[in-house]
Amino acid sequence: GAVVSQHPSWVICKSGTSVKIECRSLDFQATTMFWYRQFPKQSLMLMATSNEGSKATYEQGVEKDKFLINHASLTLSTLTVTSAHPEDSSFYICSAPIMDRGSGYTFGSGTRLTVV
Amino acid sequence: AQSVTQLGSHVSVSEGALVLLRCNYSSSVPPYLFWYVQYPNQGLQLLLKYTTGATLVKGINGFEAEFKKSETSFHLTKPSAHMSDAAEYFCAVSDRGGYQKVTFGTGTKLQVIP
Repeated sequence: GAVVSQHPSWVICKSGTSVKIECRSLDFQATTMFWYRQFPKQSLMLMATSNEGSKATYEQGVEKDKFLINHASLTLSTLTVTSAHPEDSSFYICSAPIMDRGSGYTFGSGTRLTVV
Repeated sequence: AQSVTQLGSHVSVSEGALVLLRCNYSSSVPPYLFWYVQYPNQGLQLLLKYTTGATLVKGINGFEAEFKKSETSFHLTKPSAHMSDAAEYFCAVSDRGGYQKVTFGTGTKLQVIP
């Protein structure tokens, strides 16, 4: 139980285009979703926190106009990388808290974005 | 602010040997502590977590960790390494209660030598 399905698993796009990443909670309601970015051989860095029905909260240094987050329902949160550039190439992972499991968090399987 | 330090970005052990991955945290009050494992190009899988109660926490795949408040540590151990344990391991910390964001350590890559 408590599965977050993340799609796509990998995507290659051209510079200047936009890419949408989806995270769906399959068997629970995710009122909150955390979005992380992981550069090669580095740890996960929190980008933003999305809450269903309200604006996302972005971490310092993260461009909110570039990384658009939408959390329109209790089971779906999306991250759109707009006008992607090669430096946006990274591994993006979503995570949702599962409060009925004692403050555990479930993670999506990640999206490998390569911008060429 | 919470922070977590993992000593050693790479650890190599022989198959069957003890695995010890170190993690120290910085917090004014005891936080929630986690260990996650990540296989290449995959998301993170929870190994174990400490929230309250018994300080020795047992997780999946034979791993366990002990919360030591006096040392602000949460080291991960496994008595006997298996080849399938080769992966990257992340220690993480969050504040107690509610939907708190998780802060991750820099990760330790575990290599298991046959």
